[in-house]
Amino acid sequence: DTEVTQTPKHLVMGMTNKKSLKCEQHMGHRAMYWYKQKAKKPPELMFVYSYEKLSINESVPSRFSPECPNSSLLNLHLHALQPEDSALYLCASSQEGTTAGANVLTFGAGSRLTVL
Amino acid sequence: AQRVTQPEKLLSVFKGAPVELKCNYSYSGSPELFWYVQYSRQRLQLLLRHISRESIKGFTADLNKGETSFHLKKPFAQEEDSAMYYCALSMNSGYSTLTFGKGTMLLVSP
Repeated sequence: DTEVTQTPKHLVMGMTNKKSLKCEQHMGHRAMYWYKQKAKKPPELMFVYSYEKLSINESVPSRFSPECPNSSLLNLHLHALQPEDSALYLCASSQEGTTAGANVLTFGAGSRLTVL
Repeated sequence: AQRVTQPEKLLSVFKGAPVELKCNYSYSGSPELFWYVQYSRQRLQLLLRHISRESIKGFTADLNKGETSFHLKKPFAQEEDSAMYYCALSMNSGYSTLTFGKGTMLLVSP
C-alpha cells in the first residue's frame, strides 16, 4: 500500500458542530502532517507528528485539535469552526530520520471542508 | 526564515514549445528543493527533487546555489503537462517542513 487515505472526502458542518477528519497510511512512515489548502493557494503546514508525538504546531487555533493514536493514523478534531476555515485539508506522511525519503511527502487526496 | 518565490501565476504555451517554470528561494542553510505537481482532480504529488538529479516525464530541474534558483524545464511541452506546479523547500531535519511557493499554473494548448 503506497497511499495516504483520507476520510471523509467532503464534510459540511455548522459552526457549533464537532467533527473529525481521519488519515491513514500503511507505508511505515513515522512522520505525519496536516496541511490546509485554500482555493488557488499553496498548502500551508498546520501540524507535524513525529513518532506519534506532536513536533510542530504552526500557531493553529485551538478549534483544530490533532491526534495521532498510532503510527498509521492521524486525526484532526474540529470544533466551533468559522466559515473562513472552509478549505481542503491535506494529510501527508514521510519517512523519518536521515533516510533519503525523510523529506519526501506522500499526500492524501484531501478532505474538503465547508463550514456554514 | 525560508521563502520560495514563483514569479509567474500562469504560464500558457503551445504544444511542443519549451517550458521553463521559475523558482527562487531564500534560506540561510542548505535546503532540499522539490517540484510538486497537482493535476486537475488529482492529489498533490512529487515530480522531482534536486538530490535525485533525474528527469521525470521529460522535466528536469537544476539547483543553482549561486542564483538560489531551481527552475523546472521541459524542452517540448505536452497537453497532459497542464497542471499546477509548486516549488517547495525543506530544511534538512528528521522530518519534512515543506515551504511551498504560490504555484504556477501551466496551460499547454494544442
